[in-house]
Amino acid sequence: DAGVIQSPRHEVTEMGQEVTLRCKPISGHDYLFWYRQTMMRGLELLIYFNNNVPIDDSGMPEDRFSAKMPNASFSTLKIQPSEPRDSAVYFCASSFPTNMSTEAFFGQGTRLTVV
Amino acid sequence: KQEVTQIPAALSVPEGENLVLNCSFTDSAIYNLQWFRQDPGKGLTSLLLIQSSQREQTSGRLNASLDKSSGRSTLYIAASQPGDSATYLCARDGSGNTGKLIFGQGTTLQVKP
Repeated sequence: DAGVIQSPRHEVTEMGQEVTLRCKPISGHDYLFWYRQTMMRGLELLIYFNNNVPIDDSGMPEDRFSAKMPNASFSTLKIQPSEPRDSAVYFCASSFPTNMSTEAFFGQGTRLTVV
Repeated sequence: KQEVTQIPAALSVPEGENLVLNCSFTDSAIYNLQWFRQDPGKGLTSLLLIQSSQREQTSGRLNASLDKSSGRSTLYIAASQPGDSATYLCARDGSGNTGKLIFGQGTTLQVKP
């Protein structure tokens, strides 16, 4: 498997524009997570899904942020409208829990710059 | 609230030294603890995963330990090399055994030749 795949790797957009980040989890993984990394706050969980269903979106900062998982192999994180303070690296991760433990696997991230 | 703390925030050592990175966490009801490496501008690379039933895991020059009772984990790096320079992140599970993680702020390591 190629691992968790995120696109685009880099995104530069103007304030007010809509931004869509994409993620393909590892095949067979039934949990998918979206994290945001900033210098000030480190890595924070935004939302996670189990079997395509959102379980906890308490980390989503504002209504401008939304996430979907239409099927087991694809998820999107959308920001509309974008603001400069949304500039960060957004990571997607997936996992497949076992009885003993669960390892999370991360994508390479999308570096978002809102100007 | 579950929290993870890493001390120190930054560390600089000469090449060849053995070193220890520290991680502490609240709530001893833990399933897993995972250590990651992050190079500047890059993604997260998983280094070691310690299950709650384990006390340590080893991979090459890396050894991670877990003490649930004291809420601590350490990452031991033997014979450090300049290529080990990176930020090391500790993360504990955040919602049972799902893979959801709560991260520390990381320790940025510089190994000088």
